[in-house]
Amino acid sequence: GQQLNQSPQSMFIQEGEDVSMNCTSSSIFNTWLWYKQDPGEGPVLLIALYKAGELTSNGRLTAQFGITRKDSFLNISASIPSDVGIYFCAGQLTSGSRLTFGEGTQLTVNP
Amino acid sequence: SQTIHQWPATLVQPVGSPLSLECTVEGTSNPNLYWYRQAAGRGLQLLFYSVGIGQISSEVPQNLSASRPQDRQFILSSKKLLLSDSGFYLCAWSSLVGYTFGSGTRLTVV
Repeated sequence: GQQLNQSPQSMFIQEGEDVSMNCTSSSIFNTWLWYKQDPGEGPVLLIALYKAGELTSNGRLTAQFGITRKDSFLNISASIPSDVGIYFCAGQLTSGSRLTFGEGTQLTVNP
Repeated sequence: SQTIHQWPATLVQPVGSPLSLECTVEGTSNPNLYWYRQAAGRGLQLLFYSVGIGQISSEVPQNLSASRPQDRQFILSSKKLLLSDSGFYLCAWSSLVGYTFGSGTRLTVV
C-alpha cells in the first residue's frame, strides 16, 4: 500500500528559528494535508493543498504541494514556544477517501 | 455545526478488565468513522474504520473490536485488556477536508 516518509522525525530548535519538514510518497496524491497535534489533544488541520505546485500560507506556516504530486513541504517561520507539538502530513487520493499519514515530526522549541 | 465528541478523556484500567470507548458525531449524516491508536510521541495507527451502520473494517489483528450501532456512534471495545493496549486513542470522521479528530482518550492499563 501507499506509504508516506516524513522527516525529520524530531527537531529541537531555539525560539525564533525557522523550521522545515517534508513528506515523500511512493505514489501520487491529489490532496496534501498538514496537521498539528498539541500534547494530549487530537490533531488539528493546519493547511490543505489541492493542486500540484500550490503554495499556501496560514500565518507563519507555509506549505507546498510538490510538482510531482509525490511530496509536500511545511515551513514554520520565526518559531515560538506554542509551536511545540507533533506535525503530521497526510495524503488523500480523492475527496472523502482514506488518508495516509506520515509518522510525524516532533517539534520542540526552546525559549 | 459539525462536532465530534469522544469520552472519557482519561482512563486507568486493570489488566483483564473490559473496555468501552465511545465516539459520537453531530451535524452530519452517514460519516466515515475511524479509530486510531497512538503510542507516546509516535505516529497514528489505524485500528478500525466504518462506512456505515454495522460495517466495520479492521486494519490490524489485535485485542480490540469496534461497533457502529447508530449512524453517528462508533464504539471501541475489549473484553480483556492487555498491558500493550495502553495508548492514546483517537476517533475521527471524514469531513469536507480531510479528517476531524476527537480530543482523544488516554488509556493506561495497569
